[in-house]
Amino acid sequence: ETGVTQSPTHLIKTRGQQVTLRCSSQSGHNTVSWYQQALGQGPQFIFQYYREEENGRGNFPPRFSGLQFPNYSSELNVNALELDDSALYLCASSLWGSNEQYFGPGTRLTVT
Amino acid sequence: KQEVTQIPAALSVPEGENLVLNCSFTDSAIYNLQWFRQDPGKGLTSLLLIQSSQREQTSGRLNASLDKSSGRSTLYIAASQPGDSATYLCAPKGDTGGFKTIFGAGTRLFVKA
Repeated sequence: ETGVTQSPTHLIKTRGQQVTLRCSSQSGHNTVSWYQQALGQGPQFIFQYYREEENGRGNFPPRFSGLQFPNYSSELNVNALELDDSALYLCASSLWGSNEQYFGPGTRLTVT
Repeated sequence: KQEVTQIPAALSVPEGENLVLNCSFTDSAIYNLQWFRQDPGKGLTSLLLIQSSQREQTSGRLNASLDKSSGRSTLYIAASQPGDSATYLCAPKGDTGGFKTIFGAGTRLFVKA
């Protein structure tokens, strides 16, 4: 196990709703990245947080937002859910810089 | 913009074969490259991390090489076993724009007993 935890494990939401996913980083890690993985595809980078500020963002609309807390845990918020948001959402923690990333088990989001 | 391609997309082999999985990336300005394993519906497990200054890394039956200048990495699996069946993902981390990590679509491996 990596020490990175995510909650909830599974989630079902209706189109138009809002969702919050949570991630607890491995002890000592100050950087968290979020990824979206659609079925059959590789993970797509959403954004990265370092010292509570967004530092790098992929090609995702503003309705995808995040927070990082002083204890380095993190949230991913998605507003106005669309059917295409159905995916496995992964978070990864690391030390800032060119270091190894450790992934959590993911949250499976289904939008109906 | 970094683009990562993994070949082959899928592979089915009998137990005991030695395998080579290929990864190519378009932007050679990377800090490191990580190889991951993913079981169906699960998170990612890190297999090997190669820093940009390194040429290869080894862990047990796994060996990963990196040719940064040509934008290529290979993962070599020796004496494959049914338990190696999974999707293998290549992920270079860029050195600009906040150390973004871009993944390939992966190689789905099935090792037959």
